[in-house]
Amino acid sequence: QQQVKQSPQSLIVQKGGIPIINCAYENTAFDYFPWYQQFPGKGPALLIAIRPDVSEKKEGRFTISFNKSAKQFSLHIMDSQPGDSATYFCAASMWGSQGNLIFGKGTKLSVKP
Amino acid sequence: DAGVIQSPRHEVTEMGQEVTLRCKPISGHNSLFWYRQTMMRGLELLIYFNNNVPIDDSGMPEDRFSAKMPNASFSTLKIQPSEPRDSAVYFCASSLAGGGHYEQYFGPGTRLTVT
Repeated sequence: QQQVKQSPQSLIVQKGGIPIINCAYENTAFDYFPWYQQFPGKGPALLIAIRPDVSEKKEGRFTISFNKSAKQFSLHIMDSQPGDSATYFCAASMWGSQGNLIFGKGTKLSVKP
Repeated sequence: DAGVIQSPRHEVTEMGQEVTLRCKPISGHNSLFWYRQTMMRGLELLIYFNNNVPIDDSGMPEDRFSAKMPNASFSTLKIQPSEPRDSAVYFCASSLAGGGHYEQYFGPGTRLTVT
């Protein structure tokens, strides 16, 4: 019940395409859903986050879509660029967890020029 | 702020040796997390502390692993004795956690190779 399932494991798109990464969870106590971006040789860094009281959040070219009833959320990258090539992790957290995040397994995205 | 500082950045050691990884969290943060990352298993939480107290160490693989946080500005992860299967990148992260949700800031990681 503590798991966050992420798919696909890897994704290749052409420049300008819209890669979509999906995550699903079981624990309805989760109430915070961040996405982290990791470049090779670096630690993950927060990209964008959403709470379940909204169905969508946009920050620049990055959008999170959230479906509370289906217990699913996804990351969309508009007009993807080669510089977006990285590994993306979804995560979930619950109130009172002292900052602990449950991470998905990650998606390695490659954007071809 | 300098961010989360980890040392060493790279460590190569022989099987059976003791390895100590170090982490300095961001000043003022009260939660600290140790993760291990491998291709096969992804990002695994090993242990986390809140206000220097270990909260959940269920991710620590076995008794060969131990972690301490003697004060708010320093933590260590020790492996004794090390084995080749411990080879991975180890990340430390910190956050300012209260009842709500706060961003975790990751360090650059320590790449450990056990031969």
